Amino acid sequence: SQQGEEDPQALSIQEGENATMNCSYKTSINNLQWYRQNSGRGLVHLILIRSNEREKHSGRLRVTLDTSKKSSSLLITASRAADTASYFCATDDAGNNRKLIWGLGTSLAVNP
Amino acid sequence: DAEITQSPRHKITETGRQVTLACHQTWNHNNMFWYRQDLGHGLRLIHYSYGVHDTNKGEVSDGYSVSRSNTEDLPLTLESAASSQTSVYFCASSESMAGRGNEQFFGPGTRLTVL
Repeated sequence: SQQGEEDPQALSIQEGENATMNCSYKTSINNLQWYRQNSGRGLVHLILIRSNEREKHSGRLRVTLDTSKKSSSLLITASRAADTASYFCATDDAGNNRKLIWGLGTSLAVNP
Repeated sequence: DAEITQSPRHKITETGRQVTLACHQTWNHNNMFWYRQDLGHGLRLIHYSYGVHDTNKGEVSDGYSVSRSNTEDLPLTLESAASSQTSVYFCASSESMAGRGNEQFFGPGTRLTVL
């Protein structure tokens, strides 16, 4: 079953703008991860944030986590055409951290 | 460099035929997973394994089977292919060390068409 729900389903922006995607989940978690999928490729891990963390940065990526609201956001700053991809959030289950539960993804188009 | 590979990358088969998709990882990961990805459904877990000789059913396991005879490989078999199994299939692996993140590493995918 899908736990994460990304919002929006699709996002179209101009190069240089910031892109924000949100993810909501339902159960207690140990961590939340974001992945990117370029068209026709496998998913690639971007960033992991643990349940005791509130914010994490990696290059142009900023992830926040609000466990009280069971939600996370991924911010991509100064977007580039190469950021065009689908972005997925994934959570583990606090009782079983080896499996991941996936959202349906946000499709991001960055227009040059 | 360690990697995870899938073969074939594209496969066309007929209804009723048995099909096996290969997944091979050189990360030495204990955990391996098979997903299918369809529009509107995201990634759905088919089967997974936490180690040699361990296999478990995921949320959409009907019509599929796996076996784990070594650490590196988790082949996925469609016993009697159906048109509903037309999809893109991804294999993934992860380590399971206490205190470490459970990041999954994905293969490039296999696009399967059942006619």
